[in-house]
Amino acid sequence: DSGVTQTPKHLITATGQRVTLRCSPRSGDLSVYWYQQSLDQGLQFLIQYYNGEERAKGNILERFSAQQFPDLHSELNLSSLELGDSALYFCASSPGQGTYNEQFFGPGTRLTVL
Amino acid sequence: AQSVTQLGSHVSVSEGALVLLRCNYSSSVPPYLFWYVQYPNQGLQLLLKYTSAATLVKGINGFEAEFKKSETSFHLTKPSAHMSDAAEYFCAVSGGSYIPTFGRGTSLIVHP
Repeated sequence: DSGVTQTPKHLITATGQRVTLRCSPRSGDLSVYWYQQSLDQGLQFLIQYYNGEERAKGNILERFSAQQFPDLHSELNLSSLELGDSALYFCASSPGQGTYNEQFFGPGTRLTVL
Repeated sequence: AQSVTQLGSHVSVSEGALVLLRCNYSSSVPPYLFWYVQYPNQGLQLLLKYTSAATLVKGINGFEAEFKKSETSFHLTKPSAHMSDAAEYFCAVSGGSYIPTFGRGTSLIVHP
């Protein structure tokens, strides 16, 4: 158990819909990262937050947005969903924002768009 | 800029045989290098990391990796494979940018 929790575990929805994925980092960790994992794209970094502020952006679509709240939990919002958005979405956390920090991954949310 | 190449999307070994998973990286700054393992239906967990101390890094479950700057490599090895080692392995590089870059992953298959 990494100490990172993600809800829900599974999500099935239809094209055009909007969903919210939630992540609670390990106690004391200030950085939260979001990743998308699919068979064709591999593990893609989406976005990083550190102590409530956006720190780095990766391959995140404009239809996707995220935020980190004062209690440090984070939400990833996916809107106007397409079939190609079906994937595993992971959240990870780390103590600081340094790139030498290991990341602790949650169990993931499997999103299926029908 | 940085990138990671993992050679071989699948590696198959017999139980008890040497495990060698290859990772080559490129980075415009001194790199931090990581190996993560992902078991089925789970998130990634850290096996080991290199942060510019010793070039031979020992990790959990008997794995180790050697940083070779001249070859820009960080290959993962284990002397003797166990059935429980079957999983997906990811090499990752980070550095001056806060954006970590992961390889495509190598699936390790262990035959009895």
